[in-house]
Amino acid sequence: AAGVIQSPRHLIKEKRETATLKCYPIPRHDTVYWYQQGPGQDPQFLISFYEKMQSDKGSIPDRFSAQQFSDYHSELNMSSLELGDSALYFCASSSWGTSTNNEQFFGPGTRLTVL
Amino acid sequence: ILNVEQSPQSLHVQEGDSTNFTCSFPSSNFYALHWYRWETAKSPEALFVMTLNGDEKKKGRISATLNTKEGYSYLYIKGSQPEDSATYLCARGSTLGRLYFGRGTQLTVWP
Repeated sequence: AAGVIQSPRHLIKEKRETATLKCYPIPRHDTVYWYQQGPGQDPQFLISFYEKMQSDKGSIPDRFSAQQFSDYHSELNMSSLELGDSALYFCASSSWGTSTNNEQFFGPGTRLTVL
Repeated sequence: ILNVEQSPQSLHVQEGDSTNFTCSFPSSNFYALHWYRWETAKSPEALFVMTLNGDEKKKGRISATLNTKEGYSYLYIKGSQPEDSATYLCARGSTLGRLYFGRGTQLTVWP
């Protein structure tokens, strides 16, 4: 069965650079979630989209923006990168209308390292 | 802030041992409780989504129970195998969908 795809899997950037992370949800899933897991931390919710509209917003810095496109894939854009942005970024997808209590399926994550 | 706590942080058991760990969460405004199994370099795998007080779910040798009134869930693994070694994450769900995660219990099963 198709799973959530994230690209790239690893990314190394310098401070003040920009990064774009991509997420391709499971086919027919209409909702995408982004989570950030810093070293030794629990995953923290950043933002979510349902049918290409932002549905919820968490602790996402103003330097970050995200969107969901017409094919339901999502991109997380991160600018003016800081050392503290180094983390594992997870994307998850679900089918809002048909999932059981919003069961979310996760991708393998993108590990971002900011030097 | 809906703090989810998991204990123990890590656990080492011998093959064949049964084990269990705990997830505790605020009991007010409960919506759902999710358990995930996460192996390094792989995607977290959904194990259970539980919503009703007293829920018990089972998947092979793994089972989970839920007490929403007192705010805890137990995950049990019967006859642990080395392939069960992973981090087990629990997360509290919400009406808008976001999950509030604990830090996980890292299980190592020695052959």
